[in-house]
Amino acid sequence: KAGVTQTPRYLIKTRGQQVTLSCSPISGHRSVSWYQQTPGQGLQFLFEYFSETQRNKGNFPGRFSGRQFSNSRSEMNVSTLELGDSALYLCASSWGQGGTYEQYFGPGTRLTVT
Amino acid sequence: EDQVTQSPEALRLQEGESSSLNCSYTVSGLRGLFWYRQDPGKGPEFLFTLYSAGEEKEKERLKATLTKKESFLHITAPKPEDSATYLCAVSGNQFYFGTGTSLTVIP
Repeated sequence: KAGVTQTPRYLIKTRGQQVTLSCSPISGHRSVSWYQQTPGQGLQFLFEYFSETQRNKGNFPGRFSGRQFSNSRSEMNVSTLELGDSALYLCASSWGQGGTYEQYFGPGTRLTVT
Repeated sequence: EDQVTQSPEALRLQEGESSSLNCSYTVSGLRGLFWYRQDPGKGPEFLFTLYSAGEEKEKERLKATLTKKESFLHITAPKPEDSATYLCAVSGNQFYFGTGTSLTVIP
């Protein structure tokens, strides 16, 4: 069974630009969550999507947004990039929503903002 | 406030030297406690799920236990390939991750 895939794996962007990251969950999984990981803060929850609806949102500014498609694939968008947005962005899929089931993570997208 | 605290932050063990990692938590309406392993530059790898106090799970040299306020990850006779960061997460309305324990096993 294929795991969670994320594209691209690496990105370099300039301050002020926007970026879109993509995530394909494990087949049959309907929940997709996004996390930001930095050395200082660890894994921080961004949002969760289930059946194309955002079910939960972490404490991040509105510049961070996402969506989920009918095939459960998800995208995350960050607008007006700041230097502090440099991080590893991780996508995780789960069979169900809301934290009852374990999440399986992709390899992440390493975003560098210069 | 929901939060997860892991200790120690870093741990160095000689090969074969058993030890335990701690994860203490406060969360409203705990749905589950999860352990992950993360290697540098990779996404976390799922290890265990624990749902209720007294529950235990084992996998090779790893054993996870759960009480009402904390969980332990016991590592028995570790090998160098067990070197990684071990993350604990609890789920209420969302997942809350600890900052991890960086384990180094020296041959």
